[in-house]
Amino acid sequence: QVQLVESGGGVVQPGGSLRLSCAASGFTFSSYGMHWVRQAPGKGLEWVAFIRYDGSNKYYADSVKGRFTISRDNSKNTLYLQMNSLRAEDTAVYYCAKDQYYYGSGSYYYYMDVWGKGTTVTVSS
Amino acid sequence: DIQLTQSPSFLSASVGDRVTITCRASQGISSYLAWYQQKPGKAPKLLIYAASTLQSGVPSRFSGSGSGTEFTLTISSLQPEDFATYYCQQLNSYPLYTFGQGTKLEIK
Repeated sequence: QVQLVESGGGVVQPGGSLRLSCAASGFTFSSYGMHWVRQAPGKGLEWVAFIRYDGSNKYYADSVKGRFTISRDNSKNTLYLQMNSLRAEDTAVYYCAKDQYYYGSGSYYYYMDVWGKGTTVTVSS
Repeated sequence: DIQLTQSPSFLSASVGDRVTITCRASQGISSYLAWYQQKPGKAPKLLIYAASTLQSGVPSRFSGSGSGTEFTLTISSLQPEDFATYYCQQLNSYPLYTFGQGTKLEIK
């Protein structure tokens, strides 16, 4: 079945780095854009980053731009998030999600149809 | 940036009730809106996309409507498993998606 499994979370000191991974299975990973979305404790969902299916374009939320880097290895069916200069406010559960679209009425309608279970990142001294 | 405001933020209802959650966008987003359900400790689950299209496998008691700046998610008859937090998401500014702040649906 279609599945996303995140890993790499943990406790890190402010200013430190961490790399998250998201292993995909059950679909043609190289055909889909992928997202990272995070959720701080007790808070709502925040979109973090997106990478196109071929890695040609990457987009970031202002809150992480210049500190986080999204990448992918289509030969390994794996998505990554390199997080540098971590701050306390980066503490969150990080989810990877698959981008999907529907074409109707002359338009493309995008959405996130598959989500991983998340990995927890805690930034604390 | 497009902002989404959900109302109410908290909703108390009983099994069998009909409930409606509203999501308002700060500017027109046509029908580029999705709804997700999240239960405690779990990942979000897609319910509706393109404002009104039900995702495969989602019960028909869920429905979405709206276009432009105002959208609604309706649950026609609440079931025990529906008590959760619901988020709207705009997908107009692809791929810089944003979410509403969430609506927590609790048992009365």
